[in-house]
Amino acid sequence: RKEVEQDPGPFNVPEGATVAFNCTYSNSASQSFFWYRQDCRKEPKLLMSVYSSGNEDGRFTAQLNRASQYISLLIRDSKLSDSATYLCVVSRRSGSARQLTFGSGTQLTVLP
Amino acid sequence: DAGVTQSPTHLIKTRGQQVTLRCSPKSGHDTVSWYQQALGQGPQFIFQYYEEEERQRGNFPDRFSGHQFPNYSSELNVNALLLGDSALYLCASTRGVAAEKLFFGSGTQLSVL
Repeated sequence: RKEVEQDPGPFNVPEGATVAFNCTYSNSASQSFFWYRQDCRKEPKLLMSVYSSGNEDGRFTAQLNRASQYISLLIRDSKLSDSATYLCVVSRRSGSARQLTFGSGTQLTVLP
Repeated sequence: DAGVTQSPTHLIKTRGQQVTLRCSPKSGHDTVSWYQQALGQGPQFIFQYYEEEERQRGNFPDRFSGHQFPNYSSELNVNALLLGDSALYLCASTRGVAAEKLFFGSGTQLSVL
């Protein structure tokens, strides 16, 4: 079983739609969680961190359920520019360092 | 403020050859991590360098080796290339080994024929 699993999609949604992505992780020692965005064959960029209380950044809302080891990302009022691959990332302690593990990503295409 | 830079951007090699990829971290960063991203997959951690030493290593064979220089820049070396080594190689930098916010370079696309 992969340490971080995501629905690969693709998700094809019309502009203005609301779309949700899910991610599960298997290591209960995981401590921090993130969503990264990656445009086609470019570098991943941090979209937002995910906190236990849930957090919102404009049209984006991230939720964490530690008991179910589940992370979600909700995008409201989708824009064409939201088309990208969304990577779920889980961090855990590894000695004095951090080990970050990426999911395989969920591909989103927003259609006009 | 210079971000993470990688070179070259694209590379074509044949099976059995050796390749060296280079990375300069973001200004102020001292830790460099390397990732391999195959098509349709997420980045897979190769190793991390700090203070010129390999600090962590992912599940990659010894054919993958690296180096960090006193100016914090880093190299990734891959020997005896296999077709399966074809991927986007990403370098990420942070300030310290415990930092979680990764700053990525734009990557090197390696094709092994």
